[in-house]
Amino acid sequence: GAVVSQHPSRVICKSGTSVKIECRSLDFQATTMFWYRQFPKQSLMLMATSNEGSKATYEQGVEKDKFLINHASLTLSTLTVTSAHPEDSSFYICSAQGAGGGEQYFGPGTRLTVT
Amino acid sequence: DAKTTQPPSMDCAEGRAANLPCNHSTISGNEYVYWYRQIHSQGPQYIIHGLKNNETNEMASLIITEDRKSSTLILPHATLRDTAVYYCIVTKGGNKLVFGAGTILRVKS
Repeated sequence: GAVVSQHPSRVICKSGTSVKIECRSLDFQATTMFWYRQFPKQSLMLMATSNEGSKATYEQGVEKDKFLINHASLTLSTLTVTSAHPEDSSFYICSAQGAGGGEQYFGPGTRLTVT
Repeated sequence: DAKTTQPPSMDCAEGRAANLPCNHSTISGNEYVYWYRQIHSQGPQYIIHGLKNNETNEMASLIITEDRKSSTLILPHATLRDTAVYYCIVTKGGNKLVFGAGTILRVKS
């Protein structure tokens, strides 16, 4: 199957700082990328959908000014958590989908801890 | 997208087939059934998907009933590494995925 990577895998930051998470599709062109968040013992919650070269579409309740998403190329999307707070501590996961739609391929996730 | 109902947990003996059911009684004609799994602290892994016909790949088989209101994911010879949360998701092709609680499958030796 297709390979999606995320960097970093784990990050600890101080409250008030910003953190950038990268999501890369390594062996295919991802026209659409998705960002999810998962709190402990809960399921994945979709945060936003991004198409290459377009603005991201955010799910209800997700602050677009706090979670900045950039999808500048067919292989890279970034999520920046701005002015992070302890309640933003979570497991952030991206997925990528090719031009034909169909299955999404997920990255390994990024564990964010805000102190 | 149609909602799905899965049992919260199941146990399976190592080496035996694991049969995971999913109900999706409100599925519409152009919606697919997708299965993903998530091993602890990892990103989800795509397993298989289908529209009407049964499907098989190297990981699993997907059996969809004729009325498409339910399906079963079959892992033919479960191993300890198959212990994970399994998600059944119904969606139109290319649409976003809405994850429910899934089924926790515990494979035991």
